[in-house]
Amino acid sequence: NAGVTQTPKFQVLKTGQSMTLQCAQDMNHEYMSWYRQDPGMGLRLIHYSVGAGITDQGEVPNGYNVSRSTTEDFPLRLLSAAPSQTSVYFCASSDGTSGGSSYNEQFFGPGTRLTVL
Amino acid sequence: KNQVEQSPQSLIILEGKNCTLQCNYTVSPFSNLRWYKQDTGRGPVSLTIMTFSENTKSNGRYTATLDADTKQSSLHITASQLSDSASYICVVRAGNNRKLIWGLGTSLGVNP
Repeated sequence: NAGVTQTPKFQVLKTGQSMTLQCAQDMNHEYMSWYRQDPGMGLRLIHYSVGAGITDQGEVPNGYNVSRSTTEDFPLRLLSAAPSQTSVYFCASSDGTSGGSSYNEQFFGPGTRLTVL
Repeated sequence: KNQVEQSPQSLIILEGKNCTLQCNYTVSPFSNLRWYKQDTGRGPVSLTIMTFSENTKSNGRYTATLDADTKQSSLHITASQLSDSASYICVVRAGNNRKLIWGLGTSLGVNP
């Protein structure tokens, strides 16, 4: 199993550009989520999905869109990049929804380091 | 307000030495607490999970403790190795909305 994969690993954008961060998992996990990690701040939840066709907002959703057309894939779209979106982005998956078992471990991808100029 | 605070912010020890990292939380109601290890440039990896009824749990050289009364947890690393150099993050799951509250982590450096 490859686990959770993310592409690209690094990306530089100009303000106003759009892009999609890719995330895929091969563990047949129902729950997937996107986080951003910034210096001096804990991981912050952007969007999450409890299954194909179902997505919801986390604590910092503004400026980001997601969709979940398949169990495996959960892309994150930046609509119009801003310097405040410079961060490291992590995708994670777990077996079971956040509304189900609360003990399920989240498996994280390697991250995408995004710089917006 | 639900919060998770970790101390120290950073720590440097010599290879072979032991160390203890602290996590204090104010999350209520409490569901569980998990410790993650995050190597530089990688995503977090779970070390152990503690539930309300558990006091101590070990995973190799890592031993986590939980005191639900004082709302404190610790992660003890025994006989440290160079590969233990990483950030260690404490995360608490709330029992009502199941939201995860992440700490800022402790950055551990192990020197030869």
